[in-house]
Amino acid sequence: AQTVTQSQPEMSVQEAETVTLSCTYDTSESNYYLFWYKQPPSRQMILVIRQEAYKQQNATENRFSVNFQKAAKSFSLKISDSQLGDTAMYFCAFMSLGGDKIIFGKGTRLHILP
Amino acid sequence: NAGVMQNPRHLVRRRGQEARLRCSPMKGHSHVYWYRQLPEEGLKFMVYLQKENIIDESGMPKERFSAEFPKEGPSILRIQQVVRGDSAAYFCASSLYTSPQETQYFGPGTRLLVL
Repeated sequence: AQTVTQSQPEMSVQEAETVTLSCTYDTSESNYYLFWYKQPPSRQMILVIRQEAYKQQNATENRFSVNFQKAAKSFSLKISDSQLGDTAMYFCAFMSLGGDKIIFGKGTRLHILP
Repeated sequence: NAGVMQNPRHLVRRRGQEARLRCSPMKGHSHVYWYRQLPEEGLKFMVYLQKENIIDESGMPKERFSAEFPKEGPSILRIQQVVRGDSAAYFCASSLYTSPQETQYFGPGTRLLVL
């Protein structure tokens, strides 16, 4: 069974700094999808970034980028120039290529300090 | 284009009562997924439905929980004889086609509190 592990329960950084959230996963599959979701205090789940495992190039969305290391089964999220609005829970997630369910990690609570 | 809608946003029930959670997918979406988030946990998949069909219910508890997505109207997650352990946030997501090629868009969730 696939699992997703986020080893940092909570992090705090100053506004405008860069922060990296860690994620590792376990799967025997070679093709799959990885995601980072943001859950702000409103509790709404917002897709931040998505990576297809068969693509070598790391996905980027504005200030958000990932470091995808397939052999190490690592999928970290980097937030550049962090803003107060980035304060949220961040969930790393996995989906099989032929699957229908998203498997989530337990999350990292990120605080951006003014 | 309205997003995924869930109601109620908050629901309080006493032990033994029934809880009905509703999810209206995004316009044109015919695939619905239900997830449960226990306090301080990530979301856990419960069930995947298409119109009038349950496709994957591997995450549904065997008893007291049921889900439907009728031809007309919202998807319903029903919890009979609720217990305190059912207190959680329940999220619905929808997609246009079968994931993972299509993004699952999440609703705002229903917070269920069982007293």
